[in-house]
Amino acid sequence: GESVGLHLPTLSVQEGDNSIINCAYSNSASDYFIWYKQESGKGPQFIIDIRSNMDKRQGQRVTVLLNKTVKHLSLQIAATQPGDSAVYFCAENGNNAGNMLTFGGGTRLMVKP
Amino acid sequence: GAGVSQSPSNKVTEKGKDVELRCDPISGHTALYWYRQRLGQGLEFLIYFQGNSAPDKSGLPSDRFSAERTGESVSTLTIQRTQQEDSAVYLCASSLIEVGAGGSFFGPGTRLTVL
Repeated sequence: GESVGLHLPTLSVQEGDNSIINCAYSNSASDYFIWYKQESGKGPQFIIDIRSNMDKRQGQRVTVLLNKTVKHLSLQIAATQPGDSAVYFCAENGNNAGNMLTFGGGTRLMVKP
Repeated sequence: GAGVSQSPSNKVTEKGKDVELRCDPISGHTALYWYRQRLGQGLEFLIYFQGNSAPDKSGLPSDRFSAERTGESVSTLTIQRTQQEDSAVYLCASSLIEVGAGGSFFGPGTRLTVL
């Protein structure tokens, strides 16, 4: 993801299309990753997580893919709906003793009706 | 309550005044985080509390910022001599020590405006 402090990149998709949001994480020792969704005026909400012993995990309409070789994480949203419009953040735990999360810079998803 | 709560939801203050922001984490969550989010930007880590360990203060931007936590409950973030650049949403999150249990849960944030 981009460094904190930069303005958010935006992904614009048509309603019904699939969306793919990407994130590059920094710490090769991280073994736990999370995607969060933040709607306007609200705090981030958990969407889906994945551990490093997996490369894919599916939820309801969402799939997270993990490529540890290139330290890349992606969130796929199937049949994107207007309610999916939000800012999406990836987070990694860095495998530190306290499991403190480090967040990527975020991507704004805009769904066109 | 069922989730993380923060107060006040909005705070408008004059430059140079001190402000105190409050976070009530989910009961039983040993980890507590403060983040700052400027308009249209990402999350900026400020401070992290984990149980009785010394807090990780590495994200605090200046000595005007401080935070405390009482045991494994309430936390307060204090900003002294506020500046206009401090205007942002301040988010609090809490989690179990085993973050694999669904990650951190965020509060709704406190929107701080420094005039």
